[in-house]
Amino acid sequence: EVQLLESGGGLVQPGGSLRLSCAASGFTFSSYAMSWVRQAPGKGLEWVSTISGSDGRTHYADSVKGRFTISRDNSKNTLYLQMNSLRADDTAIYYCAKKQADIVARGDFDYWGQGTLVTVSS
Amino acid sequence: QSVLTQPPSASGTPGQRVTISCSGSSSNIGSNYVYWYQQLPGTAPKLLIYNNNQRPSGVPDRFSGSQSGTSASLAISGLRSDDEADYYCAAWDDSLSGRGVFGGGTKLTVL
Repeated sequence: EVQLLESGGGLVQPGGSLRLSCAASGFTFSSYAMSWVRQAPGKGLEWVSTISGSDGRTHYADSVKGRFTISRDNSKNTLYLQMNSLRADDTAIYYCAKKQADIVARGDFDYWGQGTLVTVSS
Repeated sequence: QSVLTQPPSASGTPGQRVTISCSGSSSNIGSNYVYWYQQLPGTAPKLLIYNNNQRPSGVPDRFSGSQSGTSASLAISGLRSDDEADYYCAAWDDSLSGRGVFGGGTKLTVL
């Protein structure tokens, strides 16, 4: 059974940093691209970033480019999102999502974690 | 402003058939697969349709997807009360350096 468990969310001041983790199990982690998707309170879904499984290629939304870094440790079956220079509009539930294959350029997310809440406020 | 455009709301009565549209452009729906997600209140999204019209295992055949040109649609037949949820379309967009894009979501109400 595929399981994705996010952690690392919390309250942070504007300008601060936070690192999210997503522990994956139930599938061969290195064989799949992985993504982060966020949802601001009462709002819709927003794609944040994707990383390939094999060669580590990354893509970012313009809203986070230069501030967020996605990475993965295939030996630990864990996905990360390093978030720097956080702003109030980064407040959201952050979901870790598995893609159907090691193909970055698709809008597919076949399994989702339960999400972790990040609140940016002073 | 979402890259993919969906109606903010839709409604139907039990047993009816409803459709939700998703409008995009040549750089997303016009050249890449469309995906649909269902988000029940307080839960994570769930993949409903992939590759325009394919259903993952476990998704009832009451749900179907289609794509034509730069638009896509999700149809739900035999509407049930537990279909009440938010529905999102998604695709890859080839513009700029490439990005994932979602529709703004459609709140489906079962009357």
